[in-house]
Amino acid sequence: QVQLVQSGSELKKPGASVKVSCKASGYTFKSYAMNWVRQAPGQGLEWMGWINTNTGNPTYAQGFTGRFVFSLDTSVSTVYLQISSLKAEDTAVYYCARGGGGSAAAGNEYFQHWGQGTLVIVSS
Amino acid sequence: SSDLTQDPAVSVALGQSVRITCQGDSLRYYYASWYQQKPGQAPLLVIYGKTNRPSGIPDRFSGSSSGNTASLTITGAQAEDEADYYCNSRDSSGNHWVFGGGTKLTVL
Repeated sequence: QVQLVQSGSELKKPGASVKVSCKASGYTFKSYAMNWVRQAPGQGLEWMGWINTNTGNPTYAQGFTGRFVFSLDTSVSTVYLQISSLKAEDTAVYYCARGGGGSAAAGNEYFQHWGQGTLVIVSS
Repeated sequence: SSDLTQDPAVSVALGQSVRITCQGDSLRYYYASWYQQKPGQAPLLVIYGKTNRPSGIPDRFSGSSSGNTASLTITGAQAEDEADYYCNSRDSSGNHWVFGGGTKLTVL
């Protein structure tokens, strides 16, 4: 069965960096896009962008350019989210979400499977 | 601000039907997908495409669309359906995705 297993919670100081991982299993890794979704405490879901798992090409949503970097390692079927120069407002749960339907090259059409989420807390 | 607009909260009596709506210009061109999220859990896909349900989703969940509005209907709501529901679709550019603000469903 499809599984997306994310790395554990992180507590970071402002200005530091964090790297969240999402390890995929149970399907052909390169056949589906991978998305990142943020959920701040008590808030809704916010799409951050996606990464093409064939080419490694990332697409970022407005508001997630500059300090946010998506990357992947196909040898271990894992995608990464790195956030630099952390701010208190980056405190959130970050989810990876595998695409479904449509074309993987176009990012697929919906978010079929989700990781369990990684809580990142930014506090001095 | 979100390109997709949802009512913040909706309530339904146990066993009754409820419709949760999502409005946005991009819905004229792209299908919406719907996600259920319970406290402390990851979102769960409940409807995708025109009105498709993933395996394991009860058939009391259905989707529809008309013009710039997509709807999620729960026919015979159960206590376990109490959750936040989010719609998602491509944005007007077609290159990005956007979530609605979410609807908190209370089952009375």
